[in-house]
Amino acid sequence: GAVVSQHPSRVICKSGTSVKIECRSLDFQATTMFWYRQFPKQSLMLMATSNEGSKATYEQGVEKDKFLINHASLTLSTLTVTSAHPEDSSFYICSARPITTGAGGELFFGEGSRLTVL
Amino acid sequence: AQSVAQPEDQVNVAEGNPLTVKCTYSVSGNPYLFWYVQYPNRGLQFLLKYITGDNLVKGSYGFEAEFNKSQTSFHLKKPSALVSDSALYFCAVRVTSPYSSASKIIFGSGTRLSIRP
Repeated sequence: GAVVSQHPSRVICKSGTSVKIECRSLDFQATTMFWYRQFPKQSLMLMATSNEGSKATYEQGVEKDKFLINHASLTLSTLTVTSAHPEDSSFYICSARPITTGAGGELFFGEGSRLTVL
Repeated sequence: AQSVAQPEDQVNVAEGNPLTVKCTYSVSGNPYLFWYVQYPNRGLQFLLKYITGDNLVKGSYGFEAEFNKSQTSFHLKKPSALVSDSALYFCAVRVTSPYSSASKIIFGSGTRLSIRP
C-alpha cells in the first residue's frame, strides 16, 4: 500500500528555536498534503492544506508565520515550527492523497512527529 | 456547518462479541465517509470508506460500516471483536468549500475501543 514517511518521529528543542518536519510520499505522488495537529487524547485538528507549487491554505486560527509549510515537489512537504514555545508541543501528523485517486480517495498518514519544546 | 460527530468517547466490549462504534455527519452534497484506526503514538491507518454504491462497506481487519442516509450515520461494526482491535477509532468526512473545488477531510473526536479478554 501507499506509504508516507514522516521525519523526525520525535524532536526535543529549546524554546525560541525552529523545527522542521518532513513528510514524504514514498511510492506515490501527491499534489495535496495535509498537516494535522493532535493534542493528547484528542482528535486531529487540520492545520493546513499543502499544495505543490503554490501557497498552503491555512485553517482559521492557525498562524501562517508560525507554521511555515512548503510543498517543494509531488512527494515532499515540510512543516517548520518557527520560534517554538512550550505550547507548540504536540503530535504533528501529515497525510497525503495520491494524485490517481482524486477527491474521493483516502488519505495515507505518516507515523507522526512528537514535538516537545522545553 | 459541515461536521462529523462520534458520540461515544469509549466503547467497551468483551472479546468475541459484536462491536459498534457510532458516527454521524452533516455535509453539503453527497458524503464521502471514512474510518481510520490509530494505535498509541502512531499515525492513522485507513480501514474503509463510502463514496457511493452499497450501503454496507467492508474494510480491513474484518471491519465493516453501514451508510444510512436518512439517519446521516456511518457506524463502524465488527461481528466478533478481538483484543487486538483495542485502539482509537476516527470517523472522517470530506467537506467541500462552497466557493471552490477544494476539499479537505475533517475528523470526529475519536472513540476509544477497549476489548476485554
